[in-house]
This record gives sequence, structure tokens and C-alpha cells, in this order.
Amino acid sequence: EADIYQTPRYLVIGTGKKITLECSQTMGHDKMYWYQQDPGMELHLIHYSYGVNSTEKGDLSSESTVSRIRTEHFPLTLESARPSHTSQYLCASSPSGAGEQYFGPGTRLTVT
Amino acid sequence: QKEVEQNSGPLSVPEGAIASLNCTYSDRGSQSFFWYRQYSGKSPELIMSIYSNGDKEDGRFTAQLNKASQYVSLLIRDSQPSDSATYLCAVRTNAGKSTFGDGTTLTVKP
Repeated sequence: EADIYQTPRYLVIGTGKKITLECSQTMGHDKMYWYQQDPGMELHLIHYSYGVNSTEKGDLSSESTVSRIRTEHFPLTLESARPSHTSQYLCASSPSGAGEQYFGPGTRLTVT
Repeated sequence: QKEVEQNSGPLSVPEGAIASLNCTYSDRGSQSFFWYRQYSGKSPELIMSIYSNGDKEDGRFTAQLNKASQYVSLLIRDSQPSDSATYLCAVRTNAGKSTFGDGTTLTVKP
């Protein structure tokens, strides 16, 4: 079944730790996105990719980095987690030439 | 001015009523328009897409697009408590950039 996956679903980690949030999709979509969303608040685009070896920063300044070495995989890395990084992180993908996005279940990150 | 603006909520309607959600956008070259539903604590889910002026119906949902007025709306007929969620409007420009609105929270009261 074609889908989009995120791991871990929940993560509690201490300040200063390096973390990687995983996102994989089996739909063959070229475009992938990372959003940050606090409870009850709007989506903020932090990174996107239009294909392998293509990554761009989004509208919200973020201390995270991303990579796109394979079409299906778009991990997000925080080199040194801080309490201000506490949020929900949503990964999405979209077919080429289309505008609709399909979201993963999200990773809820808490930095203590 | 925000690129995509939605009517400020929260919106509350009684069960069985019509809920009307509105969205305006600033880029006149926008070509594709989407509505997503997001339940509390969950990720957004695509419910409607519309590309041409006029109405598009899918069950109890109707999307309406007026490109001249740069306006897109979502009507939910016979609203149910299960429709209570935040609804996000998204617009994709000709350049391929997609922008989401802040969302409107709908509560349907039994």
C-alpha cells in the first residue's frame, strides 16, 4: 500500500542532543516537504525538496538540515536540540506537476 | 497581506446546518486550490481539490472557486459532529509554490 511514514512518532530528548526525524514515502513522489506546527497553530514550511539532491529552505527559519539522497527518503536532522524545538513535525509528499500534498502522521518532539 | 487568508474562527454551527468556510488568495496566477481537514492532534488530510471556476461537489462537500474575485470556499452540508476539525485552505501558484492558510476551526454542536 502506497503511504508516507514518519518515525519516531513521539520523541523526548535532552537539550544538546543530535536527532534525526525520518520520513519515507512509497508513492514515488518527487516533491517532499517538512512542516513545523505547534498545537492549534498554523503550518510553517521549514524545508522542501523537488527531487534527489535538491533541497531548499522554507519560509520559517530553522536550525535543522535535510538531505534527499533517495526519492523515497527525506530525513530532517537537528544537530543540537533546544527546548524551542519542541513542536510537531509533519512530513508531506506531492506528485510532480500536482499541488496536492499527502501528509505523514507526524513526529511530536519534546526537548527538555 | 498574507498570501492565503481564511475567515477567522472559530466557527460554530448546529448539527444539520450548512458550514461555510472561506479563503482568499493574493496571487492572481494561482491555478490549483485545495481544502484539507485536520483533526486535533492529527495531520492534515486532503478532502477537496478544485482547478476551474464554479462548483465541485463531493458528497456533503462543495468547493467553490471564483478566480476573478480570488476567492475559494468550502460548504459542508448537513454538518455532523464528526466534521468538527480545523480546515486548511491551500493554494498553488503557476510557479509551483504551495501556500497554506492559517486554518478555520469548525465546531458542529449536536
